[in-house]
Amino acid sequence: QSVLTQPPSVSGAPGQGVTISCTGSSSNIGAGYAVHWYQHLPGTAPKLLISGHNNRPSGVPDRFSGSKSGTSASLAITGLQAEDEAHYYCQSFDSGLRLVFGSGTKVTVL
Amino acid sequence: QVQLRESDPGLMKPSETLSLTCTVSGGSINYYHYYWIRQPPGKGLESIGYISYSGSTNYNPSLVSRVTISIDMSKNQISLRLSYVTAADTAVYYCARGFPYSSIDSWGQGTLVTVSS
Repeated sequence: QSVLTQPPSVSGAPGQGVTISCTGSSSNIGAGYAVHWYQHLPGTAPKLLISGHNNRPSGVPDRFSGSKSGTSASLAITGLQAEDEAHYYCQSFDSGLRLVFGSGTKVTVL
Repeated sequence: QVQLRESDPGLMKPSETLSLTCTVSGGSINYYHYYWIRQPPGKGLESIGYISYSGSTNYNPSLVSRVTISIDMSKNQISLRLSYVTAADTAVYYCARGFPYSSIDSWGQGTLVTVSS
């Protein structure tokens, strides 16, 4: 059972936008630890998408953005493209300095 | 560009001890935390634990009684040992690197470990 909770799936038509939530607690996100987001395609290693609240590594389109408020965080994808179809995971730390992941969200482009 | 590569233990039998090695190349092993993360078939990512370049460790409470992570600075290698494996330990195992208490910026390609009698 994952420490951080994400919706199992979200979907949208090409060009539309979707938002993925990541809900934690006062022991992790609410304690001030940053939230990071990864894109995971089948058969490949996860790829860092957003570091911290909204820092994109080189090469990540600005269609991806992150935000955080209280004990939750969100990843927004605008202008959905077929290549965005993947699993997305949030990640943070908890008060025991343990690495924790979200349960994962499958994004489907209709 | 740093690269991480996991060894390939392949098929294991229940009760055996899983030993994995991650070799880091193309960059210094210093200053980073090194993680072992796994993904069982059809499930999400699970942190097994991590080790700092200075050797301090932090393990998933659900695995702490069976797991040991170590680092060999002279060989640029991080090792994972997981004892008494069962079918529930079947997963793709990833080695990864990140700045302390921050994001993970580099991942190995992953290695599939299957536990079956």
